[in-house]
Amino acid sequence: GNSVTQMEGPVTLSEEAFLTINCTYTATGYPSLFWYVQYPGEGLQLLLKATKADDKGSNKGFEATYRKETTSFHLEKGSVQVSDSAVYFCALIIQGAQKLVFGQGTRLTINP
Amino acid sequence: EAGVAQSPRYKIIEKRQSVAFWCNPISGHATLYWYQQILGQGPKLLIQFQNNGVVDDSQLPKDRFSAERLKGVDSTLKIQPAKLEDSAVYLCASSPGATWNTGELFFGEGSRLTVL
Repeated sequence: GNSVTQMEGPVTLSEEAFLTINCTYTATGYPSLFWYVQYPGEGLQLLLKATKADDKGSNKGFEATYRKETTSFHLEKGSVQVSDSAVYFCALIIQGAQKLVFGQGTRLTINP
Repeated sequence: EAGVAQSPRYKIIEKRQSVAFWCNPISGHATLYWYQQILGQGPKLLIQFQNNGVVDDSQLPKDRFSAERLKGVDSTLKIQPAKLEDSAVYLCASSPGATWNTGELFFGEGSRLTVL
């Protein structure tokens, strides 16, 4: 079946640190990959996406590269801010399907 | 543009009682989703509507959960009777059309259910 596995949380970093949140996937077809973010008190929102191998999605200083050979889509940011504190979800959808499949989420806390 | 509206935000009930959640999607969005998010887990799709027809309800526990989307606009999710394991946040989301070509869903803030 189709599934997403994220690194265990919570993750706590200091401001300006480098961030990596690992995400790997299993898919029966050709997936598109996504990172969603949930800020405190808000609904989930799309952060970035990549629709084919070697694509790089980017937004708000975050990046993730679709690696087909390692079935991964790790989220990175060079210098995190307190405002990046949130829960991050990796997700996939199979082309032609309509179901978005989420990982379990990783809670990120950034300390000043 | 108004976002996805959900109510109530919080609900506490005893097991075996019933509860209903309401969702109003973004105006013009044809597709509506209900997800269940148990603490520490990612959202799991319960049911998906395209206009007022059901596209996918394969993970909806139909013995106790029901959902409808009359007139293809707002939607209601009902649980009757509730069990302890139904304690979760129920998320409603909408999208303009087919999901797979964009993957972008617009989520409401969710309705948190606690079953005692």
